[in-house]
Amino acid sequence: DAGVTQSPTHLIKTRGQQVTLRCSPKSGHDTVSWYQQALGQGPQFIFQYYEEEERQRGNFPDRFSGHQFPNYSSELNVNALLLGDSALYLCASSDGDGNEKLFFGSGTQLSVL
Amino acid sequence: AQSVAQPEDQVNVAEGNPLTVKCTYSVSGNPYLFWYVQYPNRGLQFLLKYITGDNLVKGSYGFEAEFNKSQTSFHLKKPSALVSDSALYFCAVRLYSSASKIIFGSGTRLSIRP
Repeated sequence: DAGVTQSPTHLIKTRGQQVTLRCSPKSGHDTVSWYQQALGQGPQFIFQYYEEEERQRGNFPDRFSGHQFPNYSSELNVNALLLGDSALYLCASSDGDGNEKLFFGSGTQLSVL
Repeated sequence: AQSVAQPEDQVNVAEGNPLTVKCTYSVSGNPYLFWYVQYPNRGLQFLLKYITGDNLVKGSYGFEAEFNKSQTSFHLKKPSALVSDSALYFCAVRLYSSASKIIFGSGTRLSIRP
């Protein structure tokens, strides 16, 4: 049973570019959350998707957007990249039954030059 | 505003000694509380959670945490530390009323010396 998988593992972009990160949740999970983890900090909540809709959003600008597909996989899109967007982006899935035990992927390390 | 604080950036403990990693929270209402561990180049792994009931919660790898409502704390503990426990530990909180948003602390690096 595969856990949460994220792709790519590493990515290098330049300022102003756009990036798409992908996540496949753990089998049986229908809820996907995205987090940004800057170096030396805790994960910061970006947003969560459930039933193909954004259910809740953290304090991130509209440059950060997402999508969830019918198979529950998800994408995180970031437009007009800034140097400050350099971070580890983590995807977490859960079964949405309210106990909110999150299963995390290994993340995508994004470097913006 | 909902928040969680980990006052220690690093905790150093000798192998075999007990360890404590501190966490305090600030929420209105009844919180759900969690501890996660992160090993190098890995995502976070769930250790334990408190929802309701007994204030002492047992989790994975011999860890436990004590919920203290009056002190708004949820400290992580282990009676006897192992070198393999060395990692980054995160406390997290979720409002009962918010089904989706979990807030993480800044993390505490636990270093166990042989």
